[in-house]
Amino acid sequence: KAGVTQTPRYLIKTRGQQVTLSCSPISGHRSVSWYQQTPGQGLQFLFEYFSETQRNKGNFPGRFSGRQFSNSRSEMNVSTLELGDSALYLCASSRDGTATYNEQFFGPGTRLTVL
Amino acid sequence: DQQVKQNSPSLSVQEGRISILNCDYTNSMFDYFLWYKKYPAEGPTFLISISSIKDKNEDGRFTVFLNKSAKHLSLHIVPSQPGDSAVYFCAASGSGTGGFKTIFGAGTRLFVKA
Repeated sequence: KAGVTQTPRYLIKTRGQQVTLSCSPISGHRSVSWYQQTPGQGLQFLFEYFSETQRNKGNFPGRFSGRQFSNSRSEMNVSTLELGDSALYLCASSRDGTATYNEQFFGPGTRLTVL
Repeated sequence: DQQVKQNSPSLSVQEGRISILNCDYTNSMFDYFLWYKKYPAEGPTFLISISSIKDKNEDGRFTVFLNKSAKHLSLHIVPSQPGDSAVYFCAASGSGTGGFKTIFGAGTRLFVKA
């Protein structure tokens, strides 16, 4: 069974631009969560999608948005990029209905650098 | 507001000895706890979990202890091996007025010296 895949793996953008990251969960998994990892901050929760609906949202500004498609693939968009958005963005899928109480399976991440 | 804290950014242990990684949480709504391991250039992978109805869960060399009254959990690795060198994240799950949540700590980097 293929794992969680994320594209692209690396991305370099400049301030003010926007970016879209993609995540394909494990086949059969319907819950997809997104996290931002920065040094010293751990994994900061962005949002969780289940059956194309945003189920849960973290404390990030509205510049961060996401969506999920009918095949459970998910995209994350960041508009008007800031230097502080430079981070590793991780996507995780869960077998059951929610990322809470369940083991999450993570992709390798997309390393975003904002210049 | 860090609801899940891993106060040691790094830990160095000799091969064969015990590694103890600690995690504290502040919110009583958390009732399920997980540990993940992360190698460079890879996503975190699930290691072990514990429900709040237990105080210990063991899986091979890995044991997680939960002290609910102290809101503290720890991961013990015995014996430690060089391949265990990685970043370990503690995560706490629960539901409350804000909905379902899983919150991760900042991570502890473990170095196991051969």
